[in-house]
Amino acid sequence: EAGVTQFPSHSVIEKGQTVTLRCDPISGHDNLYWYRRVMGKEIKFLLHFVKESKQDESGMPNNRFLAERTGGTYSTLKVQPAELEDSGVYFCASSDDRARQPQHFGDGTRLSIL
Amino acid sequence: KNEVEQSPQNLTAQEGEFITINCSYSVGISALHWLQQHPGGGIVSLFMLSSGKKKHGRLIATINIQEKHSSLHITASHPRDSAVYICAVRAFKETSGSRLTFGEGTQLTVNP
Repeated sequence: EAGVTQFPSHSVIEKGQTVTLRCDPISGHDNLYWYRRVMGKEIKFLLHFVKESKQDESGMPNNRFLAERTGGTYSTLKVQPAELEDSGVYFCASSDDRARQPQHFGDGTRLSIL
Repeated sequence: KNEVEQSPQNLTAQEGEFITINCSYSVGISALHWLQQHPGGGIVSLFMLSSGKKKHGRLIATINIQEKHSSLHITASHPRDSAVYICAVRAFKETSGSRLTFGEGTQLTVNP
């Protein structure tokens, strides 16, 4: 089965611009998560979708971040406008709905804000 | 203070050495994950534990729920084991489909 794929792998933009990250979960996985690692810190949770619904978005840092999962398949995470502190690696993970199933991670998108 | 603490932060070993990485957490959990991240690479799940011990090849993971502590052991370490090892927990209040809380990771370097 294909794994979790993220696009792009690396994005470099200027402060104030807009960037959209995409995540394609493993087919059939209802749960989709976004996480972020900023330099020198641990990976932190951003939000969790169950199908197309936001189950938990308590980790979203502010309203410059918008996540969507239309149709319950792939998800996008838009940052608008980007700020310097948004630089980091954004990971997506997915899992199916059965209990005790692990999350499968993508390779991440490295976002650099100049 | 992070809910998940790992030690050591950095570890350098010689090829063949036995390696232990520790993880302590402060919340009740339903599962603990050990993850591996190679430089420039994605995250790979090594183990998911809720009790006892699991083994896969040269890797062994143990967990003590009462002491809120887990260890990842690597026997006969090899340079290709060099990576960041990350401990992550799923809080007990959640069941399936729940977010993870991560430790900062342990950077392991195994020299030939």
